Amino acid sequence: QKEVEQDPGPLSVPEGAIVSLNCTYSNSAFQYFMWYRQYSRKGPELLMYTYSSGNKEDGRFTAQVDKSSKYISLFIRDSQPSDSATYLCAMSLNAGGTSYGKLTFGQGTILTVHP
Amino acid sequence: NAGVMQNPRHLVRRRGQEARLRCSPMKGHSHVYWYRQLPEEGLKFMVYLQKENIIDESGMPKERFSAEFPKEGPSILRIQQVVRGDSAAYFCASSPGLGDGYTFGSGTRLTVV
Repeated sequence: QKEVEQDPGPLSVPEGAIVSLNCTYSNSAFQYFMWYRQYSRKGPELLMYTYSSGNKEDGRFTAQVDKSSKYISLFIRDSQPSDSATYLCAMSLNAGGTSYGKLTFGQGTILTVHP
Repeated sequence: NAGVMQNPRHLVRRRGQEARLRCSPMKGHSHVYWYRQLPEEGLKFMVYLQKENIIDESGMPKERFSAEFPKEGPSILRIQQVVRGDSAAYFCASSPGLGDGYTFGSGTRLTVV
């Protein structure tokens, strides 16, 4: 069993739709949760970063963490064609030790938003 | 700020040759991480370095792979005697310190022929 499982997609939605991206994880020691966006032939770009259960909102993006269920989600409202990319969830252990430096990624979900 | 710079962007090597991948972190960043991305897979951690120190190399293959981050100059990921299975995109990331978010470079795409 992989430590982090991500719905592989691909997802194809019309412009303006609400997109839901999800990951589950097995290691309850994960404390920090991130969502990255990766355009083709580019490096991942950090979108959202949170370390507690609950919701965190930034513009059209909302990150949701449920530690009791070991489940995280990213919601994109009013999706745009420019949101078309691969979305990667990532997580890490507590800060303060060398283990923080290591991120464990999901395999990514390819999203296409068509006009 | 130029961001995390990786070079070369594309590298082609024949089986058995050596590959050297370079990463210059963002200005002020002293922590460097290397990840590998195989086709259809997410990024896999390889190694975490600070200046002149390897902090965590738990993701590095035991043979043929090495990494360094000298006091001066870029971080280097070195792959000796490359094989076809080493073909992948290799990403470097840097951060200002422990507990800070990463900034990734655009990667080096290694093709072994």
